[in-house]
Amino acid sequence: EVQLVESGGGLVQPGRSMKLSCAASGFTFSNYGMAWVRQAPKKGLEWVAYISYDGGSTYYRDPVKGRFTISRDNAKSTLYLQMDSLRSEDTATYYCTTTYAHWFAYWGQGTLVTVSS
Amino acid sequence: DIQMTQSPSFLSASVGDRVTINCKASQNINKYLNWYQQKLGEAPKRLIYNTNNLQTGIPSRFSGSGSGTDYTLTISSLQPEDFATYFCLQHNSFPLTFGSGTKLEIK
Repeated sequence: EVQLVESGGGLVQPGRSMKLSCAASGFTFSNYGMAWVRQAPKKGLEWVAYISYDGGSTYYRDPVKGRFTISRDNAKSTLYLQMDSLRSEDTATYYCTTTYAHWFAYWGQGTLVTVSS
Repeated sequence: DIQMTQSPSFLSASVGDRVTINCKASQNINKYLNWYQQKLGEAPKRLIYNTNNLQTGIPSRFSGSGSGTDYTLTISSLQPEDFATYFCLQHNSFPLTFGSGTKLEIK
């Protein structure tokens, strides 16, 4: 059974940093790209970042470029999202998902990040 | 960037109705279009991948169609558990983009 379990969310002040993690199991993590998708309260879904199976390629949505860094540790089957210079508009539930089984079939339960003073 | 225009934003329907939800891409997305259902407080659930492939375990009343820039999700006979919000996602090119969502409510 595929499982994705996010952690690391919480309350953070504007301008500060936070690092999210996503522990994966149930598939060969090192063979598939991974991504973060977020959802602001009562809003729609928004893709944030993607990393290829080996970490060699990364993509970001424009508003987070230069502030967020996606990375992975294939030995630990874990995905990360380092978020720096956080803004109020980054407040959202952050989900990790995988390209395993034709892109974004499996999602974690999400972790809430609240950026507020 | 590819814009995904989803319609309608709200849909009121009754159990047993047939409903369609549409997503229009600003350019050809080569059928790389997924559909998701989301209920309050839950993660999205994939219903359809690559335009018309039914996710394992999803009832056959859900179907997808389309090509080029125009895509449709059809629910052939609404069931009580289908009242939720639906999103499309294009994964043809980065940045990946979602439709704005369709909230399906009970009439």
